[in-house]
Amino acid sequence: ETGVTQSPTHLIKTRGQQVTLRCSSQSGHNTVSWYQQALGQGPQFIFQYYREEENGRGNFPPRFSGLQFPNYSSELNVNALELDDSALYLCASSYTPLGFATDTQYFGPGTRLTVL
Amino acid sequence: GQQVMQIPQYQHVQEGEDFTTYCNSSTTLSNIQWYKQRPGGHPVFLIQLVKSGEVKKQKRLTFQFGEAKKNSSLHITATQTTDVGTYFCAGLTTTSGTYKYIFGTGTRLKVLA
Repeated sequence: ETGVTQSPTHLIKTRGQQVTLRCSSQSGHNTVSWYQQALGQGPQFIFQYYREEENGRGNFPPRFSGLQFPNYSSELNVNALELDDSALYLCASSYTPLGFATDTQYFGPGTRLTVL
Repeated sequence: GQQVMQIPQYQHVQEGEDFTTYCNSSTTLSNIQWYKQRPGGHPVFLIQLVKSGEVKKQKRLTFQFGEAKKNSSLHITATQTTDVGTYFCAGLTTTSGTYKYIFGTGTRLKVLA
């Protein structure tokens, strides 16, 4: 086990709703990244937070937003849900010295989001 | 946009045969990581390569990073049924001081006993 936890495990929402997913980092880690993994695809990078600030973002619209808290846990918020948002959402924590993302990423078990 | 492609998409091998997956990036990478994901599971970190031309070994697994830092490979010698899963490479790109990991499309390995 990696020590990275995510909640909830599964979630069902309807189109247009908003959702908040949560991630607790492994102890000692200061960086959290969020990924979206559609069935049969590789993880797609959403964004990364380092010491409570976003320092990297993939090709996702602004309705995907996030937060990192002082204890380095994190939230992913998605507004105006669309059917294509149905996926496994993974968070990964790592220790990043001096803000350079060069260390091992430890993934949590993921949240399976279904949008109807 | 930046892409990382992996080939093959699928590979079925007999137990004991070797297996190789290749990862190719459209842009130069700062480093590359390899992950294994079992069905229904989450990606598990295998290794990170940073230097041009770097080669690392973990028991039956050999990882290479290309001289131009745009391609990489994972080779498994004498596959075992426990090697089943999808292998992803993930390349780190940097743009104006921000960082982004781009995962490859993955290679799904099945090992027949």
